[in-house]
Amino acid sequence: DTEVTQTPKHLVMGMTNKKSLKCEQHMGHRAMYWYKQKAKKPPELMFVYSYEKLSINESVPSRFSPECPNSSLLNLHLHALQPEDSALYLCASSQYEQLLTKRTDTQYFGPGTRLTVL
Amino acid sequence: GENVEQHPSTLSVQEGDSAVIKCTYSDSASNYFPWYKQELGKGPQLIIDIRSNVGEKKDQRIAVTLNKTAKHFSLHITETQPEDSAVYFCAAPNFNKFYFGSGTKLNVKP
Repeated sequence: DTEVTQTPKHLVMGMTNKKSLKCEQHMGHRAMYWYKQKAKKPPELMFVYSYEKLSINESVPSRFSPECPNSSLLNLHLHALQPEDSALYLCASSQYEQLLTKRTDTQYFGPGTRLTVL
Repeated sequence: GENVEQHPSTLSVQEGDSAVIKCTYSDSASNYFPWYKQELGKGPQLIIDIRSNVGEKKDQRIAVTLNKTAKHFSLHITETQPEDSAVYFCAAPNFNKFYFGSGTKLNVKP
């Protein structure tokens, strides 16, 4: 099973709201990712967690706050977003922490959360 | 970082024809090349991948070829079907950072 689940599927929020996106995988993967995807564009990496520690932050604004409570869960906390943050937010996971193994492993994506900021 | 170029941006084929999508990359150290299919409103789904010690890999109607010398790899879909219509992305990762191509919208006409 290569399933990554994400909730909610759709989210509409105002610029003053606080909300969270959730991602879960039960494949025993030790690396998890958040991507942002605008329409007709490829996914853009936001954050990487390896062994529940933040290993990459692609200079993402602080209004996006990631959290990895355990090896199966990944959250993205949203606060004071702007309309231009409206996008599809994708979670992905892979088996190994590649910087240690020097091996690139397949990333499996979830279905995404469609976020609209009003 | 890696630079990945993908062509064409759109591709229309008749059902039953073949489709070919090409990607080039810049970092000669890249050694893993996945292809993802993304249907409207869904997340990218891995359809096939290849590692640099292999020149070609097939899975039923889908194949990927890799030319490490020229730094390009291609996705081949034979006997296309309407359900193959989607956006396809190639990627050339540097460890756990995936550098995606710009995507190809494939339209298979019945």
